[in-house]
Amino acid sequence: DGGITQSPKYLFRKEGQNVTLSCEQNLNHDAMYWYRQDPGQGLRLIYYSQIVNDFQKGDIAEGYSVSREKKESFPLTVTSAQKNPTAFYLCATRGRSDEKLFFGSGTQLSVL
Amino acid sequence: SQQGEEDPQALSIQEGENATMNCSYKTSINNLQWYRQNSGRGLVHLILIRSNEREKHSGRLRVTLDTSKKSSSLLITASRAADTASYFCATSGGYQKVTFGTGTKLQVIP
Repeated sequence: DGGITQSPKYLFRKEGQNVTLSCEQNLNHDAMYWYRQDPGQGLRLIYYSQIVNDFQKGDIAEGYSVSREKKESFPLTVTSAQKNPTAFYLCATRGRSDEKLFFGSGTQLSVL
Repeated sequence: SQQGEEDPQALSIQEGENATMNCSYKTSINNLQWYRQNSGRGLVHLILIRSNEREKHSGRLRVTLDTSKKSSSLLITASRAADTASYFCATSGGYQKVTFGTGTKLQVIP
């Protein structure tokens, strides 16, 4: 997990509320990813970004938004349009000359 | 949609035995990777095999890849209790998108 910081570790969302999950990295990696993991299941790609000011939708982007204003940061906003947001959210990075992903320690989001 | 499907979903073995997990995928790939996840934590990269390779070893891990069948297997030899975790395959068709399978939950009983 070193080099990638996800915060907070636990987050609670009220009905109709937008919440933002933070992902910061000091690995100088170009690419960053957000995945959602439901209990006992695999990872599903929400959004990914190759470079600053550019990002692409993954397989389940509806109800989520991202920004990539700095190389080090790729925050994920879970909007009120996401009706089933309870899940474990994982941020990952990848270096330009590398093919493997490095993961943060995750944020558990629950709905109050 | 999940690119990979893993089999079995869960596996329970005795310490010292070998564990084999399989991954099938749908589209052409540049490489296939295996990751490990301890409960409630992030994933850790284990091994990568390229589309032009058939077999790769790393310590107690052996990975095979059959691109004609779009499948891969991960073998962990002489398993230890500390190997208890979930294991995921991941495929990449290019530099960008990396998609994961559904995972195999491995329990190694001491």
